[in-house]
Amino acid sequence: GENVEQHPSTLSVQEGDSAVIKCTYSDSASNYFPWYKQELGKGPQLIIDIRSNVGEKKDQRIAVTLNKTAKHFSLHITETQPEDSAVYFCAASLTGNQFYFGTGTSLTVIP
Amino acid sequence: GAVVSQHPSWVICKSGTSVKIECRSLDFQATTMFWYRQFPKQSLMLMATSNEGSKATYEQGVEKDKFLINHASLTLSTLTVTSAHPEDSSFYICSLKAASGNYEQYFGPGTRLTVT
Repeated sequence: GENVEQHPSTLSVQEGDSAVIKCTYSDSASNYFPWYKQELGKGPQLIIDIRSNVGEKKDQRIAVTLNKTAKHFSLHITETQPEDSAVYFCAASLTGNQFYFGTGTSLTVIP
Repeated sequence: GAVVSQHPSWVICKSGTSVKIECRSLDFQATTMFWYRQFPKQSLMLMATSNEGSKATYEQGVEKDKFLINHASLTLSTLTVTSAHPEDSSFYICSLKAASGNYEQYFGPGTRLTVT
């Protein structure tokens, strides 16, 4: 089955700086890669996603890049704000059915 | 995105009793719903996939007789934890998928189960 690794497990950045979280996956058949933000005691919220036919996608301060050859994808958050502090999960999926989640990254934005 | 609700948001029960958790899609019909379990500071683990009108598909290692799933309509799926034990204490989260061709899953707010 699919195996998703996520790094780093914790990340602290100063407000205004950029944050980058990286994930690798093992199954070359996976074609959908979402990123979720989870705040304490709440369910995950989809923040951005990318399909395998696209190399990069951007939504305001958030961007995701995908390298299919190397089987890795990354989340980029620019101009970080304290409200960006949360746990971020990547996932890999084949057509959006079974999601294989990474282990999560706890992001802290220091004011 | 879709709006998903779960009820209750938290529940405390005694060991040996059963607990039912509801997952509702509030703004569109969900052909497929998923149930996840998340232990503290850990990732989400898929327990089962629930399709409307058919039996749920359970992941390896998940006891189907202990975690009963019913997807009776396109807007409601329920998870019943039977004969709960302290090790079943966890954060249970449902997600739904709208229709074929859409890959997104939208998650509910979760239910915190504590078994004493």
